[in-house]
Amino acid sequence: DAMVIQNPRYQVTQFGKPVTLSCSQTLNHNVMYWYQQKSSQAPKLLFHYYDKDFNNEADTPDNFQSRRPNTSFCFLDIRSPGLGDAAMYLCATSRDPGTGANVLTFGAGSRLTVL
Amino acid sequence: GQNIDQPTEMTATEGAIVQINCTYQTSGFNGLFWYQQHAGEAPTFLSYNVLDGLEEKGRFSSFLSRSKGYSYLLLKELQMKDSASYLCAVLDSNYQLIWGAGTKLIIKP
Repeated sequence: DAMVIQNPRYQVTQFGKPVTLSCSQTLNHNVMYWYQQKSSQAPKLLFHYYDKDFNNEADTPDNFQSRRPNTSFCFLDIRSPGLGDAAMYLCATSRDPGTGANVLTFGAGSRLTVL
Repeated sequence: GQNIDQPTEMTATEGAIVQINCTYQTSGFNGLFWYQQHAGEAPTFLSYNVLDGLEEKGRFSSFLSRSKGYSYLLLKELQMKDSASYLCAVLDSNYQLIWGAGTKLIIKP
């Protein structure tokens, strides 16, 4: 089945120790997104890629970086995780952000714990 | 600013009907989405409304009134597996998705 796969599902790191989360998709969608979601809060968009074009949200901290080496893969790098970065990180894909019925397909998420 | 309002939590009984409301104030409007999110899992798409009226999909229906900035998700014949958070999200004039914080629905036997 075509899908969005995130690894790892659970990541425990120490304060300040870099972390990389990965996302792969077999949907051949043009757009890939990284969201941060804390408990009982709305998902917060960190970045998105439209093909190779990178779009950083204005309030995304510099501590967060992203790479999309090809259409299928996208990575989220957290350079120096702080306690406030503990959250669920959701990867999503869609065909085209410029259309109305632009349904997002989400991966299962990577839950980050910072000790 | 842009804002989506939904109740934080609702409780309903198995077999009953529940209506989850969503009001929005956004810069323009290009459609409204409802997603279901079970605890610890990713959101999954339920419905999309761009025109006024009711869209029915099995046990779930979604209603939109653009003039009132209002939508609701109606769940009929509730089942225990419907216990989840329901997220309302609006596509604004720049095709940016504005998310609500979600409504946690608790189903009791």
